[in-house]
Amino acid sequence: DTGVSQNPRHKITKRGQNVTFRCDPISEHNRLYWYRQTLGQGPEFLTYFQNEAQLEKSRLLSDRFSAERPKGSFSTLEIQRTEQGDSAMYLCASSRRRGTANYGYTFGSGTRLTVV
Amino acid sequence: RKEVEQDPGPFNVPEGATVAFNCTYSNSASQSFFWYRQDCRKEPKLLMSVYSSGNEDGRFTAQLNRASQYISLLIRDSKLSDSATYLCVVNLNYGGSQGNLIFGKGTKLSVKP
Repeated sequence: DTGVSQNPRHKITKRGQNVTFRCDPISEHNRLYWYRQTLGQGPEFLTYFQNEAQLEKSRLLSDRFSAERPKGSFSTLEIQRTEQGDSAMYLCASSRRRGTANYGYTFGSGTRLTVV
Repeated sequence: RKEVEQDPGPFNVPEGATVAFNCTYSNSASQSFFWYRQDCRKEPKLLMSVYSSGNEDGRFTAQLNRASQYISLLIRDSKLSDSATYLCVVNLNYGGSQGNLIFGKGTKLSVKP
């Protein structure tokens, strides 16, 4: 296991289409996060899972966005009825948390979404 | 006020220079602090954690002032390979939020020969 894997690397879609991204975290990491990053900005938090439970969702995550982590391993992020404003880099990260200790995140290479 | 604010940059410095980045955070309940490095069109990578006592890793020194809600990163003897965007990151830990990191916009550093 060499790190966090994200697929696809790039996605171009027409406005109104649905898209789904996949993230495979580092296997021993129990936490998985989704972030979105646009040009000139830092990554913005979308949601995170501890094992299969989705523990927090940002207000940025509109009802067109849904994330799942069905078996506590890989995760998918789906965007329905895409809009041009959804164009961004979608980053997945994973981390290991024991008790109250929170270790640094490892990010995947991201999926760059372009909505035309 | 944004939760994490950084120097706007860009910082253009010659090789060998010492450069300092500053960052402030708004939520006094913040628990953990980090500096991440992000190369152009790449993912962020953890550079170092920041502790109240200050910590050093080679040419990099990070400091935290909880009273002032201020974080700094000092890079000594800068190298061409230090050119990147440096992201100040805070872990908010209040209410039900116990895990997500909040990123600043980043400060771009360009080290010139």
